[in-house]
Amino acid sequence: RKEVEQDPGPFNVPEGATVAFNCTYSNSASQSFFWYRQDCRKEPKLLMSVYSSGNEDGRFTAQLNRASQYISLLIRDSKLSDSATYLCVVNRGNAGNMLTFGGGTRLMVKP
Amino acid sequence: DTGVSQNPRHKITKRGQNVTFRCDPISEHNRLYWYRQTLGQGPEFLTYFQNEAQLEKSRLLSDRFSAERPKGSFSTLEIQRTEQGDSAMYLCASSPRLAGVQETQYFGPGTRLLVL
Repeated sequence: RKEVEQDPGPFNVPEGATVAFNCTYSNSASQSFFWYRQDCRKEPKLLMSVYSSGNEDGRFTAQLNRASQYISLLIRDSKLSDSATYLCVVNRGNAGNMLTFGGGTRLMVKP
Repeated sequence: DTGVSQNPRHKITKRGQNVTFRCDPISEHNRLYWYRQTLGQGPEFLTYFQNEAQLEKSRLLSDRFSAERPKGSFSTLEIQRTEQGDSAMYLCASSPRLAGVQETQYFGPGTRLLVL
């Protein structure tokens, strides 16, 4: 079993739709949680950190459930430019802060 | 541009050759990480430096791989006797060490390696 599991998709949605991604992680020692976005053949870029109380950044809302070891990302009013792979990321909970990535969920927003 | 830079961006080599990649982190970031990403997968951790000290290595890092960060600034990753299975994107990331704060890692553009 992978340490961070995500549905690989692809999720094909029309512009303006709301779409939600979920991920689960197995390392209960993880302390930091993130969503990164990766465009085709580019490096991952931080989309947002995920905090225990949940947090929002514009059209993006992230939630964390530590008890269930579950992280979610909600994108409202999808734009064509949101098309990318979304990587669920947790740290290992050790001093070095190494990151463990999920395999990514691919999103395609269509006109 | 004050982001993480990596060179070369692309490398094609023949099986058995040695290759070396360089990473220049964001200045004043004392933590530097190497990850490897294959097609359709998320990045996987390889190794980590705090300043010049290499503090952790993944078991993915076979003895053909060596990484250095001699002055605590740039880092190099060398692969000796390359194999076709080494073909991947090699990503470097850096972060500051901020006690008690959720640290963010910033990634470079990667070096894409193809071993023929």
